[in-house]
Amino acid sequence: EIVLTQSPATLSLSPGERATLSCRASQSVSSYLAWYQQKPGQAPRLLIYDASNRATGIPARFSGSGSGTDFTLTISSLEPEDFAVYYCQQRSNWRYTFGQGTKLEIK
Amino acid sequence: EVQLVESGGGLVQPGRSLRLSCAASGFTFDDYAMHWVRQAPGKGLEWVSGISWNSGSIGYADSVKGRFTISRDNAKNSLYLQMNSLRAEDTALYYCAKEGGYSYADAFDYWGQGTLVTVSS
Repeated sequence: EIVLTQSPATLSLSPGERATLSCRASQSVSSYLAWYQQKPGQAPRLLIYDASNRATGIPARFSGSGSGTDFTLTISSLEPEDFAVYYCQQRSNWRYTFGQGTKLEIK
Repeated sequence: EVQLVESGGGLVQPGRSLRLSCAASGFTFDDYAMHWVRQAPGKGLEWVSGISWNSGSIGYADSVKGRFTISRDNAKNSLYLQMNSLRAEDTALYYCAKEGGYSYADAFDYWGQGTLVTVSS
């Protein structure tokens, strides 16, 4: 099973700052890496697919990069609504895994 | 508008069974793979199981393999999860999720609001 490790577990930043979230895979996942945002009491929302493509309706301040085993989600300038938990996810031969999540909190 | 509505959750004793359903609308159901993802209270997301558009490919997390069975009825636009031999650690909110297909590199582009399963005596 491919394990995804996200860091940091918690990130404390202020609105307007830049956020950089990391996701590392235990073995190569090529570019099959997605990022999701989850707010309290809500279902997850797809942000990024195929490592670097924004899903429909996702603002341009969200960007993804990486391939193989190391991936990054960047939020260029934080808005108040961006404070949430973020998960990465991979799929490989009908086995899917999520990272443990990064909580982005207001400093 | 895509809608995924889960049902069938509830309180169940350890060792008993429960069947979850997900009613889909707003898209061509039999064009897409579907999945179940769960979230224990206060914890992260865990993929549970997935099924291809024609039920030809199926996968399970190790934690549920041999106990849970995923299925779909394309004529009824419905996804199911039969859960047997339930354990306390199966307690979670269970989400139904639609795979985005080739255009989304198989990421999950739509999610339901979840149905809560509580396993307790």
